[in-house]
Amino acid sequence: EAGVVQSPRYKIIEKKQPVAFWCNPISGHNTLYWYRQNLGQGPELLIRYENEEAVDDSQLPKDRFSAERLKGVDSTLKIQPAELGDSAVYLCASSLSRGRNEQYFGPGTRLTVT
Amino acid sequence: AQSVAQPEDQVNVAEGNPLTVKCTYSVSGNPYLFWYVQYPNRGLQFLLKYITGDNLVKGSYGFEAEFNKSQTSFHLKKPSALVSDSALYFCAVRDGNTGGFKTIFGAGTRLFVKA
Repeated sequence: EAGVVQSPRYKIIEKKQPVAFWCNPISGHNTLYWYRQNLGQGPELLIRYENEEAVDDSQLPKDRFSAERLKGVDSTLKIQPAELGDSAVYLCASSLSRGRNEQYFGPGTRLTVT
Repeated sequence: AQSVAQPEDQVNVAEGNPLTVKCTYSVSGNPYLFWYVQYPNRGLQFLLKYITGDNLVKGSYGFEAEFNKSQTSFHLKKPSALVSDSALYFCAVRDGNTGGFKTIFGAGTRLFVKA
């Protein structure tokens, strides 16, 4: 079974530039999460999707971040414009759509904003 | 509000010795508890979970964890550590009563197993 796929793995951009991350979850997983992980910290939820609906985006900085999950499968997270403080690892995870289920994480995208 | 604490930034053990990585939590309802491991340049990998039932849960790679409701703890254990167990370990909690899906992760504990 294929795991969660993310691309790119690494991205270096200058501040004020846009950037986008892509995620393909495990087949059959209705729930998709985007997390941000800063160095030395645990992942922090940015947004959660149930199928194509964003059901928890309270932690998403909506002035510069946006996300979409068209057709309830793949998802894209975008930052525009990027700031120096956005440098982090962006993790995508998926799970079966019940609260008891564990999450399966992709390898992440390491973003460096210069 | 939910919270989880991993009081140790790093745990050092010798290969073959037992290991414990500590985790305490706070939720208003019944806790769903998880342990994940992160190897360098890789995403988090699920190890085990406690939802209900037996307080001692067993997971991947010989790891186990004990749910202690009175102490609000969920410590990760392994009887005999391997060098390959060296990694970053995260405890996570979700409030099972609210029906919410938000998982709170601890800051992580780095395990170093010396040969």
